[in-house]
Amino acid sequence: KNQVEQSPQSLIILEGKNCTLQCNYTVSPFSNLRWYKQDTGRGPVSLTIMTFSENTKSNGRYTATLDADTKQSSLHITASQLSDSASYICVVSAGNAGNMLTFGGGTRLMVKP
Amino acid sequence: NAGVTQTPKFRVLKTGQSMTLLCAQDMNHEYMYWYRQDPGMGLRLIHYSVGEGTTAKGEVPDGYNVSRLKKQNFLLGLESAAPSQTSVYFCASRPLTGGITDTQYFGPGTRLTVL
Repeated sequence: KNQVEQSPQSLIILEGKNCTLQCNYTVSPFSNLRWYKQDTGRGPVSLTIMTFSENTKSNGRYTATLDADTKQSSLHITASQLSDSASYICVVSAGNAGNMLTFGGGTRLMVKP
Repeated sequence: NAGVTQTPKFRVLKTGQSMTLLCAQDMNHEYMYWYRQDPGMGLRLIHYSVGEGTTAKGEVPDGYNVSRLKKQNFLLGLESAAPSQTSVYFCASRPLTGGITDTQYFGPGTRLTVL
């Protein structure tokens, strides 16, 4: 069964600090991995997407890494801001025609002033 | 361009009642999806559609029905609501461009409570 596990489940950091969120997956065949940001009461919004051949992708202060051999990904947030408070969801695509996605449970990040 | 919209935003039902959730997208996307999101769990796919007039079951289809009569609309129906269907429901859509990196665009969600 395809699975995506994220850690930690929740995280509190001070504004301006950096943090790293982890994602482990067992999805086959692998097509791509996305990180989504979900603000409270809103739908998920895509931050980054990486295919098998990519091992890093940045979007402003967000940098995602992918190790396809160990089936791990991380999302690093630099110089956190209060607006970074949200859930971050790791999503892996099995590459079938319907673009079926397997979602992790998310990491809930709270940035405090 | 409103993207993906969902109605209603909130709804409370009694066990056994029926209702329909509406999803609309104005991006001319071929694919549309319905998910549910429960606390501590990842989004799970209920049903999806690869085009007007076609639907298919996802991971957790039991207790739900869907219809895609128009390309821009995807309806999710609950014929006889149960407390286990209390959840937040998200609709998503994506274009049919053939690329493996196509992103799904999500609506704002519908919070449903079944008493």
